[in-house]
Amino acid sequence: DAGITQSPRYKITETGRQVTLMCHQTWSHSYMFWYRQDLGHGLRLIYYSAAADITDKGEVPDGYVVSRSKTENFPLTLESATRSQTSVYFCASARGEGAGSYNEQFFGPGTRLTVL
Amino acid sequence: GNSVTQMEGPVTLSEEAFLTINCTYTATGYPSLFWYVQYPGEGLQLLLKATKADDKGSNKGFEATYRKETTSFHLEKGSVQVSDSAVYFCALSWYNNNDMRFGAGTRLTVKP
Repeated sequence: DAGITQSPRYKITETGRQVTLMCHQTWSHSYMFWYRQDLGHGLRLIYYSAAADITDKGEVPDGYVVSRSKTENFPLTLESATRSQTSVYFCASARGEGAGSYNEQFFGPGTRLTVL
Repeated sequence: GNSVTQMEGPVTLSEEAFLTINCTYTATGYPSLFWYVQYPGEGLQLLLKATKADDKGSNKGFEATYRKETTSFHLEKGSVQVSDSAVYFCALSWYNNNDMRFGAGTRLTVKP
């Protein structure tokens, strides 16, 4: 199906384990983003990517790693999960048309991660 | 720094009531302003946007006007429906910049 998908939708893990959240989009959008959503904080940007093999830190990158070997995929890895990383994670994409663009971001359905 | 402040929720209204959700921002330069809506169990969807001062964004009966003098982008709807129950996020971003900043969100519940 066309659009942006995330997997898994729900994940429970333990402190110290490595976890990878997947994000896949079918629009060939240049830009992709990872946000976390916490009560009282809205959405905060973790990492974003302007194109394949180009990534950059957002507001709250510590404890996370990203990669983007293909335009359509943007996995987010928690190398050693901590309880403070319990959150809902949203992936988003945008066309990135360049100068003069105000890019609407399209969001996936989210992954609810619980770290015990 | 650059940030967005929304009125705290939750907001509970009866069907057909008038809705206002306040949003103010602090930013350098001239950001674009957005309202996103999140329905239960789903990701965020763009509701409306405005890219310069005095622009009015509108969609599905919702409106918001970009007020540079008061640094505000309040969301309004004249007559809410039960189906409008959701969390609403105000956000800003800059010209040719994908760093989008979100407010904390306001949960709206509309009762029949």
